[in-house]
Amino acid sequence: AAGVIQSPRHLIKEKRETATLKCYPIPRHDTVYWYQQGPGQDPQFLISFYEKMQSDKGSIPDRFSAQQFSDYHSELNMSSLELGDSALYFCASSLRDRGLNTEAFFGQGTRLTVV
Amino acid sequence: GESVGLHLPTLSVQEGDNSIINCAYSNSASDYFIWYKQESGKGPQFIIDIRSNMDKRQGQRVTVLLNKTVKHLSLQIAATQPGDSAVYFCAEKERDDYKLSFGAGTTVTVRA
Repeated sequence: AAGVIQSPRHLIKEKRETATLKCYPIPRHDTVYWYQQGPGQDPQFLISFYEKMQSDKGSIPDRFSAQQFSDYHSELNMSSLELGDSALYFCASSLRDRGLNTEAFFGQGTRLTVV
Repeated sequence: GESVGLHLPTLSVQEGDNSIINCAYSNSASDYFIWYKQESGKGPQFIIDIRSNMDKRQGQRVTVLLNKTVKHLSLQIAATQPGDSAVYFCAEKERDDYKLSFGAGTTVTVRA
């Protein structure tokens, strides 16, 4: 079965540079979530999209933005990178079935290292 | 290695024993809960979910219990195996919300 695909798997950037992370949700899933996970931390919610519209926002810095495209893939854009942005970034997708929540499946993540 | 009720950041369990991992949630509006397993460097892997209109749900070797009165969730793993060693997270969601909030993880180590 198709899973959530994230690219790239690893990314090394310098301070003040820009990074773009991509997420391809499971086919037919209508909701995409982005999470940031630091070492030894639980995943922190950044932002979500439902049917290509931003649906909820968490602790996402103003330097970050995200969008979901017509083919449902999503991109997380990160500018003016700081050392503290080094983390694993996960994307997840789910399907709202008749208004009810269903299981959210996660991708393998992008490991971002800012040097 | 069982711990009932209290969330512990780590749990060491003998292979073959049953494990219980606890999670407390604070949002009384949450109506959907998921347990995830995360191995080092990998994404959280869905284990089992439960809706707030249920208090128990069983899967293969796993059982989730939900106590809405005290806002407590637990994951029971039967006959724990070495491959069960990982960090386990509970996550909660409100019905009309698009945010899945994670609780503090529990690192499970299975002793041979």
